[in-house]
Amino acid sequence: NAGVTQTPKFQVLKTGQSMTLQCAQDMNHNSMYWYRQDPGMGLRLIYYSASEGTTDKGEVPNGYNVSRLNKREFSLRLESAAPSQTSVYFCASRRRDRDTQYFGPGTRLTVL
Amino acid sequence: TQLLEQSPQFLSIQEGENLTVYCNSSSVFSSLQWYRQEPGEGPVLLVTVVTGGEVKKLKRLTFQFGDARKDSSLHITAAQPGDTGLYLCAGFKAGGTSYGKLTFGQGTILTVHP
Repeated sequence: NAGVTQTPKFQVLKTGQSMTLQCAQDMNHNSMYWYRQDPGMGLRLIYYSASEGTTDKGEVPNGYNVSRLNKREFSLRLESAAPSQTSVYFCASRRRDRDTQYFGPGTRLTVL
Repeated sequence: TQLLEQSPQFLSIQEGENLTVYCNSSSVFSSLQWYRQEPGEGPVLLVTVVTGGEVKKLKRLTFQFGDARKDSSLHITAAQPGDTGLYLCAGFKAGGTSYGKLTFGQGTILTVHP
């Protein structure tokens, strides 16, 4: 039981490049979330998926797209990376009837 | 707009001292969670408080939820170097357009010196 896993752990991109951050959970949770964490800003919600087949925008969705591939997997895509997207990205999942979110270890992304 | 204001942002204290971290909002939350995060890792849940006025204790950590469910505090007694880390409060709103979403405070970086 690995919980929430994220790949890659580190990534360096050049401005304009694209990439997909992968997230998977093995806890059979319905809801999944993508956050970014920047110094002094806490965690800000980018997108979330309340259940398989649905996705919704969070607080800071611009420049990102998501795919809820199945119940286990929720990916985050940067189509044209910008330096402002340099951040640490966390994926989380939650069971429908519980408040607790379980976080992955994060992906540290640098855009040059 | 930061819906949850957490203070202080930084706290540097000596081992054995007591400290309190505050989390304030003008919004009502159905529950308030406290997370601790260590470098290179994701946040890990410490506690969830649900009822207005609720107090929960976790060893030397005491968590309180305000009567109106708009604010919370974390008090650490006799801090130890192992308490060093980033502490995050997060408000949870159930249902409606805010379905299942957590709103995080900015975080408090705590450093406890031996």
